[in-house]
Amino acid sequence: DARVTQTPRHKVTEMGQEVTMRCQPILGHNTVFWYRQTMMQGLELLAYFRNRAPLDDSGMPKDRFSAEMPDATLATLKIQPSEPRDSAVYFCASGRAEGGTQYFGPGTRLLVL
Amino acid sequence: TQLLEQSPQFLSIQEGENLTVYCNSSSVFSSLQWYRQEPGEGPVLLVTVVTGGEVKKLKRLTFQFGDARKDSSLHITAAQPGDTGLYLCAGLGGSNYKLTFGKGTLLTVNP
Repeated sequence: DARVTQTPRHKVTEMGQEVTMRCQPILGHNTVFWYRQTMMQGLELLAYFRNRAPLDDSGMPKDRFSAEMPDATLATLKIQPSEPRDSAVYFCASGRAEGGTQYFGPGTRLLVL
Repeated sequence: TQLLEQSPQFLSIQEGENLTVYCNSSSVFSSLQWYRQEPGEGPVLLVTVVTGGEVKKLKRLTFQFGDARKDSSLHITAAQPGDTGLYLCAGLGGSNYKLTFGKGTLLTVNP
């Protein structure tokens, strides 16, 4: 049963530190999404990749966040420097086609102190 | 900006009861999806509705897309503790990839 995997599952760090979150999309999926979930804002799209190319990062704070896909099996989301307001659950999702089903990973729970 | 409002935010009911949750917007969506999210996990897609007025059934769950494709409802018959979770609606609007999510309805079904 193919699943999206994310590491780490939990991360506690101090303000100002760099945070890197990793995602392995389902093999054969060519779309990858990064979302952030908070109680106040719900689920928000941060970045979207198709065939490893970044097509939309309008939801991401540009000065501190960056998203990449070094290869088809790995997507990364980095925050540098991290701030307490970045505390949230970050989800990666992958899919076969635009508009189709998105399969979510279990999330990375980030706490920035 | 497209927004989806879900109501109620919280719902706590007894096993066996029926319930309906709503997802409303002033915007038109090309399709609407419903997800269920359990604690510590990511959302899992339940259904996609595409046509205005469409009704889809998934066992005890009935999903309806409004005629104008601006709203949707989820009805659960004879709720069970296993139905407990956060129910999210998400609309596909101006782009063919960007989902707009509602904030969800947190359902608790007590045995």
